[in-house]
Amino acid sequence: QSVLTQPPSVSAAPRQKVTISCSGSGSNIGSNYVHWYQQLPGAAPKLLIYDNNKRPSGIPDRFSGSKSGTSGTLGITGLQTGDEADYYCGTWDSSLSVVVFGGGTKLTVL
Amino acid sequence: EVQLVESGGGLVQPGGSLRLSCAASGFTFSTYWMHWVRQAPGKGLVWVSRIKSDGSITSYADSVKGRVTISRDNAKNTLYLQMNSLRAEDTAVYFCTRDRDLSTWGQGTLVTVSS
Repeated sequence: QSVLTQPPSVSAAPRQKVTISCSGSGSNIGSNYVHWYQQLPGAAPKLLIYDNNKRPSGIPDRFSGSKSGTSGTLGITGLQTGDEADYYCGTWDSSLSVVVFGGGTKLTVL
Repeated sequence: EVQLVESGGGLVQPGGSLRLSCAASGFTFSTYWMHWVRQAPGKGLVWVSRIKSDGSITSYADSVKGRVTISRDNAKNTLYLQMNSLRAEDTAVYFCTRDRDLSTWGQGTLVTVSS
C-alpha cells in the first residue's frame, strides 16, 4: 500500500465541488510541501498544485490546495466532465529519503 | 516549450536488461534534479529514482536498488535509466519528470517484462 492515503474514488455532479484528502505523517506531509497531479485517461500525469497551494501557469482557479498538519486537501469547484481523471498527491519523505505518492483518487463527474 | 521525451522501452525477458532515455528540451537541463516514476498497468504512480543536476547525488526506491542505475549527460540534455535483472513486476510505463515538485512529465515509455 501507499505511504500517503487517499480515498479510492469520489464523485459529484457537474458544477458542484469536491475535495480529495491526502493523509500522511510527520516525516512526509508534516515536514514537506504537498503536490497534486491530475492524470486524464490515457495521458501522463500533470502538475496541478505545487507547494501545498500554488497553481502552475494555466491551471484554472477552480483547483485549490491546502495543508494542515500531516494532511493535504485538493479542492475542485465548478466540476466539469473534463475533470474526470485520477488525482494523486505526492511529497518527499525525509525519513525514507524517497518521493512518496498517494494511491490515487478516481474522480467521477456524474 | 518545456518537453521531455522518453524512449527505449519494449519487451524484454525476465533477467534481461534495458536502457531508457529521456531527451529534454526547452529548459536548462543541467540545473534541474530529474526523476523516474513508473506506473504498472491499472495501478498508481511509484517513484523509482532521482539524480541531482550535476549527477553527484542519486537515490533509488528499495524495489529497484541494486538493479537500476540512473545517470545523465548534461551535454546531450539526456537522462538515462539502466535497468538490469528485470522482473515481471517491473512491467510499467516509465515516466521521466523534473524538479522537486515533478513539474513536467514526459509521455512515458512502456517496459514489458515477460517470457
